[in-house]
Amino acid sequence: GENVEQHPSTLSVQEGDSAVIKCTYSDSASNYFPWYKQELGKRPQLIIDIRSNVGEKKDQRIAVTLNKTAKHFSLHITETQPEDSAVYFCAARGTNYQLIWGAGTKLIIKP
Amino acid sequence: EAGVAQSPRYKIIEKRQSVAFWCNPISGHATLYWYQQILGQGPKLLIQFQNNGVVDDSQLPKDRFSAERLKGVDSTLKIQPAKLEDSAVYLCASSPFIGGNEQFFGPGTRLTVL
Repeated sequence: GENVEQHPSTLSVQEGDSAVIKCTYSDSASNYFPWYKQELGKRPQLIIDIRSNVGEKKDQRIAVTLNKTAKHFSLHITETQPEDSAVYFCAARGTNYQLIWGAGTKLIIKP
Repeated sequence: EAGVAQSPRYKIIEKRQSVAFWCNPISGHATLYWYQQILGQGPKLLIQFQNNGVVDDSQLPKDRFSAERLKGVDSTLKIQPAKLEDSAVYLCASSPFIGGNEQFFGPGTRLTVL
């Protein structure tokens, strides 16, 4: 079946440095790729998304890139801050509109 | 705009007991999702409704789980009988329509099965 692989499972970066999280999807028909942030004990919230007809999208310190040929997409966070600490999930939406989620990356921002 | 509501927030039961969760999506949202999130994992879709019809329930363990959305608004998810491995957070989400991009999540129900 369809799946999404996400790496790394844990990422620790110094405050102010950049963080990159990578995902690979299996369904070549996937056309929508959201990233969700989930703080401890809270609900997932959408932080950025990209559609398959776009290669890159940026929103302030957050950017997402998509390589359809290689079937992978990445989340980039620049100038990381303590409030960026959370678990980040990537997902891919297939032709039946359901989201297939990655396993998550725990991002730790060191002061 | 009110968000997605879920109740209860926490539930502790013993194995083989039954439990039900309730979700009220954002007003006007046609699509409703139930997810199971086991600690340390990503959400896993259990069932997706479009209005009161099921779009996808391929990952719902139908021998013990059931869900309904009779009037196309509120939804209930039931587990009967519960197993230890059902311990998880059950998240409800909604989106305006089936192709709607953002899914809005409720606070979840944390289920512990002893």
